[in-house]
Formats: sequence, structure tokens, C-alpha cells
Amino acid sequence: EAQVTQNPRYLITVTGKKLTVTCSQNMNHEYMSWYRQDPGLGLRQIYYSMNVEVTDKGDVPEGYKVSRKEKRNFPLILESPSPNQTSLYFCASSIRRQGNYEQYFGPGTRLTVT
Amino acid sequence: DAKTTQPNSMESNEEEPVHLPCNHSTISGTDYIHWYRQLPSQGPEYVIHGLTSNVNNRMASLAIAEDRKSSTLILHRATLRDAAVYYCILRDEYTGTASKLTFGTGTRLQVTL
Repeated sequence: EAQVTQNPRYLITVTGKKLTVTCSQNMNHEYMSWYRQDPGLGLRQIYYSMNVEVTDKGDVPEGYKVSRKEKRNFPLILESPSPNQTSLYFCASSIRRQGNYEQYFGPGTRLTVT
Repeated sequence: DAKTTQPNSMESNEEEPVHLPCNHSTISGTDYIHWYRQLPSQGPEYVIHGLTSNVNNRMASLAIAEDRKSSTLILHRATLRDAAVYYCILRDEYTGTASKLTFGTGTRLQVTL
């Protein structure tokens, strides 16, 4: 089954404790992204990657890192989480179809930083 | 990417058609119109996209006004499983980043028996 998977789905952590949220897609998509979703603010892009070893900042990259060593994986790293990073996080991968890009989203990771 | 305007919420009865409107008066000639939906406790899901002509797929139809300043997502027979937030998004073919979609607040669709 074609899908985007994220782990963990739920995470509660404390301020300053490094964490990684994994993202994997099995559709051989070149493009991958991370978004965060907060009430009243919609989804905002954190980072994106156009291919292996190619990453760039989205709209809200502060406090986050990413890497793209393999095509299928795009982990999100919080080196020193803070309470304002409490949010719902979505990973997505994209494919070009019929002249434009369709995005496929993972199930989400709900992160709480205390 | 140009801005879209959608109603905050809509209601529909099950098994009736639903027309979800979207205004995008500042759309440019290279903007594609995308629709995504987000079911409760799930990630957004691609529904449909189009440029100028009306589009149909297994999930829905997209009707695009002749001047492209508005569009309508049509669910032909709403079911309880269609209750979700529906997002209308414009994405420029040439300047938009392949990975980026700018989500607004969308329309929350409620479907009742």
C-alpha cells in the first residue's frame, strides 16, 4: 500500500531533550515536506526537500533540522525542544501529476513539550 | 500564491449533493486550483486539482468558472465519511515550490443523517 508513515504518533517530552520524528514514504517521490498545524494558523511548512541531500527552509524553520540521506526518509529533528513547538506535525511527499503536484500526507505526530 | 476565500462551515444531509465554493479573485494564469480535505484526526488528503477545465475523479468534481475567479468542489452524494475540513488552495505552476501548499482555514463540512 502506498503511504507515508510517521513515528512516533504521540510524544510527550521535556524542554531541551533532543528528539527525532521519523518520516518514510514508499512511493519513490522526490519531494518531501514537514508541516506543523496549530489552531487558527492552518498548516505551515517547516522544511522541504527536493531530492536526496537537497533541503531548504519553509515558512517556520526556526528550532528544527532535517536531513535527506535516502529518498524514502525525511526525519525532523528538534535539537532543543521548547514549549512553543508543541503542535501537530505532518510529513508529506509529492508527485507531479497532470501538470501539477499532488501531496500525500502522513497520519501526523502530536508533540507536547513541557 | 494568491489568496482564497471559503465559508467557515457548511452543512449537508447524507446522500445529497454538496457544493463547496471558493473565491480566488486574484488568481493568476499559471495558478492551479487544488482541493484537499482533512478528516478528523488525520492528515490532509488530496481530492482534486484543475487549471481551466472542469475535472472529475472518483472522489469529486471540480467546476471552474470561466473567468477562473471562483471554483466549486462538488461531492455528488455526501456520506458521513465526507465530514471534514475542505481546503481550496492555489499553487503557481512556475513559482510555487513543488513541496509547498499554503493552507488557509478551509470549510468545515458537517454531514447529517
